[in-house]
Amino acid sequence: DQQVKQNSPSLSVQEGRISILNCDYTNSMFDYFLWYKKYPAEGPTFLISISSIKDKNEDGRFTVFLNKSAKHLSLHIVPSQPGDSAVYFCAASKNTGNQFYFGTGTSLTVIP
Amino acid sequence: GAVVSQHPSRVICKSGTSVKIECRSLDFQATTMFWYRQFPKQSLMLMATSNEGSKATYEQGVEKDKFLINHASLTLSTLTVTSAHPEDSSFYICSVYDGYNEKLFFGSGTQLSVL
Repeated sequence: DQQVKQNSPSLSVQEGRISILNCDYTNSMFDYFLWYKKYPAEGPTFLISISSIKDKNEDGRFTVFLNKSAKHLSLHIVPSQPGDSAVYFCAASKNTGNQFYFGTGTSLTVIP
Repeated sequence: GAVVSQHPSRVICKSGTSVKIECRSLDFQATTMFWYRQFPKQSLMLMATSNEGSKATYEQGVEKDKFLINHASLTLSTLTVTSAHPEDSSFYICSVYDGYNEKLFFGSGTQLSVL
């Protein structure tokens, strides 16, 4: 039972444009969300997070938006750079803290 | 954040042999570490939660006798794939939970190929 879903397996964006990666979840108990970036044959690296008490969190070129009523979050990267090409995973956890549920990932390709 | 070292990064072995993967938390005392597995083009799947000084907690469908986990200290957890078979070929990743920062920090992963 996939509680966190990323319905787009891949996305291609021109350099300098905005990349929007989407994530949906089914469990209303989730209250903390994270985005990770992963290169092939490497472990994921943390990118940005958001708590359910907020609807937006921004860090440089990366912004995460949370719509609790729709159980949807999105990651915006602007402007996109070729080095952003990677697989992006969203993850969610409940208030019990340390168990995270991951989406299936979206492979982003930024075209120079 | 926590620095997590995982070794080896790649291992190729014959079917029937056992493989040990080490996960070290270099700058953080980790009472809990997690082991994930990722098949190509699939999500990170939690295999087990490794608890320092006690038995690991395995997710449903993960064979505890096949995937032996030892978490003998606050800085080291090991995953041993016993009697490996080709279907065990996968990318295995460990992680450490930093409760203060509420984040998971991942090792660099181990690509296991069983011939």
